[in-house]
Amino acid sequence: GDSVTQMEGPVTLSEEAFLTINCTYTATGYPSLFWYVQYPGEGLQLLLKATKADDKGSNKGFEATYRKETTSFHLEKGSVQVSDSAVYFCALEKSDSWGKLQFGAGTQVVVTP
Amino acid sequence: DGGITQSPKYLFRKEGQNVTLSCEQNLNHDAMYWYRQDPGQGLRLIYYSQIVNDFQKGDIAEGYSVSREKKESFPLTVTSAQKNPTAFYLCASSTQGQKLTQYFGPGTRLTVL
Repeated sequence: GDSVTQMEGPVTLSEEAFLTINCTYTATGYPSLFWYVQYPGEGLQLLLKATKADDKGSNKGFEATYRKETTSFHLEKGSVQVSDSAVYFCALEKSDSWGKLQFGAGTQVVVTP
Repeated sequence: DGGITQSPKYLFRKEGQNVTLSCEQNLNHDAMYWYRQDPGQGLRLIYYSQIVNDFQKGDIAEGYSVSREKKESFPLTVTSAQKNPTAFYLCASSTQGQKLTQYFGPGTRLTVL
């Protein structure tokens, strides 16, 4: 079945450092891919998405490119801020039923001043 | 403002009691979803509804029940049959179809004492 694998956290960085969170997936066909962010005690917010191969999603300085050949959707940001401290979830739209999402386990990011 | 509301934010119940979590959306979305989040894990789908008066079981439906009498509302009941109900519960909604984005509410943290 469909699955999403994210790198384990926590990832601890200094402010202005470069952030990469790896995400790989297993799926049938060409699912849409998503990154969601969850701040402490809150629900999930959509960060960015890509709907087909080679698409690049971007938002708030974050980017991710849909790589079909490596089945990956890695999240990157060139210069993180303390306010980027959160849990980041990679997700795909499941191929067996529209609209249903399969989530990775989440990666906690801690940015220190 | 359009959005999804969940209430209450924190909920405490004694073991053996049923409890109902509220989810309301004013986004005019057809589809609604309930997820459960446990520490260090991704989100798992409990139930989803594509249209009023219709709903389907997700991956972990046992011990839960839902109703969808109105387009705007999708309440979740955690019954006494749920073996380990303490968790963070998230509601989401989307328009119908593929390659669409789910939008999440702020969540309800349920603690069973």
